[in-house]
Amino acid sequence: DAKTTQPPSMDCAEGRAANLPCNHSTISGNEYVYWYRQIHSQGPQYIIHGLKNNETNEMASLIITEDRKSSTLILPHATLRDTAVYYCIVRVVASETSGSRLTFGEGTQLTVNP
Amino acid sequence: NAGVMQNPRHLVRRRGQEARLRCSPMKGHSHVYWYRQLPEEGLKFMVYLQKENIIDESGMPKERFSAEFPKEGPSILRIQQVVRGDSAAYFCASSPTKEMRGAFFGQGTRLTVV
Repeated sequence: DAKTTQPPSMDCAEGRAANLPCNHSTISGNEYVYWYRQIHSQGPQYIIHGLKNNETNEMASLIITEDRKSSTLILPHATLRDTAVYYCIVRVVASETSGSRLTFGEGTQLTVNP
Repeated sequence: NAGVMQNPRHLVRRRGQEARLRCSPMKGHSHVYWYRQLPEEGLKFMVYLQKENIIDESGMPKERFSAEFPKEGPSILRIQQVVRGDSAAYFCASSPTKEMRGAFFGQGTRLTVV
């Protein structure tokens, strides 16, 4: 698996954009970048994923640098309910003998403040 | 509710008893992943199963732990002779293919060993 590096914690004011960085300098050409979040005591929630191009959905935007060595998850208008641990994950490519399990690191604890 | 269903949500067992954790995947999903989250720690992969087959159990402790995903019914994670160190949240995720792309997680079972 390509290793990812995230800041352990970040703060954001409610209503402002939250920009969560992730470094993955050893990523391979066919590995995707996934973002999940875990709100306290709940199951992880899928947010978004991408390969090369920037992606946007109803939850967030994902910006991947041209060299793919880093990415940023953007929550455009953070709310208190976005307080969670955010995980940046590089997906293991599936093989016939193993799935493409997601390897979770330590993530970034995002705290949205009123 | 078409989501991943785990039960029970909370389970208390005395040391030496058996714990059975159930995971019903989303409709149409035949791939299940189990993860464990110890208190104040990250999510650790345990096992990946397809219907009637264990594909990757590289994260499972060698003793006392077993998993199955029968042709009919939920996936079961079984822990025999539980010890206090087994106290954790156990999450399962399901996916329609062997790729975990966009996999959905259940809300977890919190096992407490007393």
